[in-house]
Amino acid sequence: GAVVSQHPSWVICKSGTSVKIECRSLDFQATTMFWYRQFPKQSLMLMATSNEGSKATYEQGVEKDKFLINHASLTLSTLTVTSAHPEDSSFYICSARSTGRSSTGELFFGEGSRLTVL
Amino acid sequence: RKEVEQDPGPFNVPEGATVAFNCTYSNSASQSFFWYRQDCRKEPKLLMSVYSSGNEDGRFTAQLNRASQYISLLIRDSKLSDSATYLCVVIPNTGGFKTIFGAGTRLFVKA
Repeated sequence: GAVVSQHPSWVICKSGTSVKIECRSLDFQATTMFWYRQFPKQSLMLMATSNEGSKATYEQGVEKDKFLINHASLTLSTLTVTSAHPEDSSFYICSARSTGRSSTGELFFGEGSRLTVL
Repeated sequence: RKEVEQDPGPFNVPEGATVAFNCTYSNSASQSFFWYRQDCRKEPKLLMSVYSSGNEDGRFTAQLNRASQYISLLIRDSKLSDSATYLCVVIPNTGGFKTIFGAGTRLFVKA
């Protein structure tokens, strides 16, 4: 079945550095991918919708200059946390939906990236 | 009112018990519904889709009530391995990409 791969799984960085997270759809094309953030014991929070070839759509309260999203191809979206600070430490998850003819509409998730900012 | 609401629980049940979760949604035009399961520190994974006629997969039964705008998940003969957070997922309209998640219901199955 369709698979979404996310990399890296774990990131530990110093405050002030930037971190890039990649999300790839492995056997289907995804014109749209989603980025979520999840704090411990809390629900998934949609951060932004990544659109191939155009600007991402950010949810209210999410800083677009802080969380840069690039969706340059139909199989790859990247999230860059710029000038990360300890409060950015979280579990970041991407997802994509296969919309081909045989698609069930299922939303596939990447394995998640756990970011720890020291 | 939140677009999708779930009882956060936690539900603490013994092995073998039957447990049911409900999820309400506010947009009557919503078209697609799913239950996802999320284990601690893992990504969500599809448990089952929810069809208008209701559907069953082994010990799991999902139902949709459009009139009252809620979906339900029933787990029979609970296993220890069923312990997880169950997320209700709603897609607001046909062809739309936005997906709305409930906050999740935590289930603990005890021996």
